[in-house]
Amino acid sequence: QPVLTQPPSSSASPGESVRLTCTLPSDINVRNWNIYWYQQKPGSPPRYLLYYLSDSDKDQGSGVPSRFSGSKDASTNTGILLISGLQSDDEADYYCMIWPSNEGVFGGGTKLTVL
Amino acid sequence: QITLKESGPTLVKPTQTLTLTCTFSGFSFSTSGVGVSWIRQPPGKALEWLALIYWDNDKRYNPSLKSRLSITKDASKNQVVLALTDMDPLDSATYYCAHRHRFYDILDFWGQGTLVTVSS
Repeated sequence: QPVLTQPPSSSASPGESVRLTCTLPSDINVRNWNIYWYQQKPGSPPRYLLYYLSDSDKDQGSGVPSRFSGSKDASTNTGILLISGLQSDDEADYYCMIWPSNEGVFGGGTKLTVL
Repeated sequence: QITLKESGPTLVKPTQTLTLTCTFSGFSFSTSGVGVSWIRQPPGKALEWLALIYWDNDKRYNPSLKSRLSITKDASKNQVVLALTDMDPLDSATYYCAHRHRFYDILDFWGQGTLVTVSS
């Protein structure tokens, strides 16, 4: 199974924007994959946020604010979760996920701290 | 409204087989594309996808655990059962079941999870 690499931690201040990254192994081209993003707060199950394949093929989870958006950086083979207008309530763990051969793979997660 | 709930033992001994049940409502396996997945999370660690069963009984497993995992469904009871053999303390985790969207690989509804501890 591929390994999805997420930085263990990230931080930003309220009102700022933050980019959370999910780097795919070099043998998997990020252009071809739906990148799914989940948010998890302590003591709660994960919550589906969105998936992003391209600007014309993406989905926002039910009730997920438009402050959360997805993108990709093909030059670094990376999926990106952008959170704009950061709020204290956004403090959580964030996981990316892909489904090679219909088998799920999660990244290691990023703990986002709102300063 | 889709809901899922995990149930099973909270404590198992090493080498035993863990059997967990996911009981759901708000959808059925008669809907094409639907699936139920199992995911686990050791305390303080990352999510790990375990298995998925589709409406048509197609099954997928985490390759690293495939030899120990079994997923089955009882559509008449709205239940999905996960079995994990030869339990080890490293298998201690919160186990979640989740609904797979019928059209996409989205896990859009999750149970609250059940904490399983492996200890003698």
